[in-house]
Amino acid sequence: DTGVSQNPRHKITKRGQNVTFRCDPISEHNRLYWYRQTLGQGPEFLTYFQNEAQLEKSRLLSDRFSAERPKGSFSTLEIQRTEQGDSAMYLCASSLYGQGTDTQYFGPGTRLTVL
Amino acid sequence: AQTVTQSQPEMSVQEAETVTLSCTYDTSESDYYLFWYKQPPSRQMILVIRQEAYKQQNATENRFSVNFQKAAKSFSLKISDSQLGDAAMYFCAYRSGSGGSNYKLTFGKGTLLTVNP
Repeated sequence: DTGVSQNPRHKITKRGQNVTFRCDPISEHNRLYWYRQTLGQGPEFLTYFQNEAQLEKSRLLSDRFSAERPKGSFSTLEIQRTEQGDSAMYLCASSLYGQGTDTQYFGPGTRLTVL
Repeated sequence: AQTVTQSQPEMSVQEAETVTLSCTYDTSESDYYLFWYKQPPSRQMILVIRQEAYKQQNATENRFSVNFQKAAKSFSLKISDSQLGDAAMYFCAYRSGSGGSNYKLTFGKGTLLTVNP
């Protein structure tokens, strides 16, 4: 059983460019979450999916952010017109909701640097 | 909204000794879960231990145990026989148990644990 994987691990971009991150959850997990972690802080919730449906979005997720989970498998997080304030670690997690404790398992993250 | 507070930004412990990391939380809910996650430098976050609020017995996982005080809204992590590999940032997290925001984790700011040989 492989863990949650994320690609790329690092991304450096210039302000104003668009970036896209990918997350592959643990197989059979029906929930997938995105969090953002800035230096010296704990992760903050951005959005989550149950299967292919995006059920909740944080107010942290501005209109420049969009996330998808086609077919309820992998997910992508796109940031349009990046700003320096978007520099952070973007974490993905997955869980099996409805059976057990719904524990979230995290991927290694994608570190975004906006120049 | 729920909040999680970790009052110790940094802690250090000698190898083989015991250390306790503090966490307090604020909630009006009665059904919830509490977690400790470990984040080693440049590595992914790993679940250390989980506690269901309805369980009175404190959770234990090998050298890791918690002291869950529901009335005081306190959830501390004890690491016994500390090892060099325990060095990491430790995050305390809260999740609602049913209804409401039972999908998201709310994290504290973390405690950086250093283990000295």
